[in-house]
Amino acid sequence: ELKVEQNPLFLSMQEGKNYTIYCNYSTTSDRLYWYRQDPGKSLESLFVLLSNGAVKQEGRLMASLDTKARLSTLHITAAVHDLSATYFCAVWNFGNEKLTFGTGTRLTIIP
Amino acid sequence: GAGVSQSPRYKVAKRGQDVALRCDPISGHVSLFWYQQALGQGPEFLTYFQNEAQLDKSGLPSDRFFAERPEGSVSTLKIQRTQQEDSAVYLCASSLYDGGGFSYEQYFGPGTRLTVT
Repeated sequence: ELKVEQNPLFLSMQEGKNYTIYCNYSTTSDRLYWYRQDPGKSLESLFVLLSNGAVKQEGRLMASLDTKARLSTLHITAAVHDLSATYFCAVWNFGNEKLTFGTGTRLTIIP
Repeated sequence: GAGVSQSPRYKVAKRGQDVALRCDPISGHVSLFWYQQALGQGPEFLTYFQNEAQLDKSGLPSDRFFAERPEGSVSTLKIQRTQQEDSAVYLCASSLYDGGGFSYEQYFGPGTRLTVT
């Protein structure tokens, strides 16, 4: 059974600082997604990573995928308040097509 | 263009009542997924349709949960004899995925927040 773990679960960081969220998964997959969720809202797609070594960047966020290590990272550069949200990684299951989500990282940016 | 829509957005049910949650996927999307998100948790898979065929229902927590997509577009998730543990946000997602092995992005609806009292 595929398991997806994120850490940290909670993260408070000051504006302007850099930090990384980690996503580990337990079985082979080369498809990984990052989503953002604001309180009371649905999931907003941030990145789709489709191969080993994939790196994607959008603004202050950068995501990478290492399929050999079964690890993805979401790096935040020079955080700003509007990045405060919960971030989920999700791994694609070949054969049954479903996404298995991590537990989420609740990010709070402090002025 | 229009995204995935769900209705109702909020539903309060008394314990033991039946509820029906509706999902309208993006037009032309072959695949449709239902997920359950408990408070403070990540979404968990419930069931998956490809067109009108329900290919995977392994995540449905009990036989009180039933989903259908009779014409391959709109889907309904029905919960019979609701229990307090059914309180959660129910998310619907659709994608172009047609079983061909290529991973298409899933687009999520706003969710239905179900509260069972």
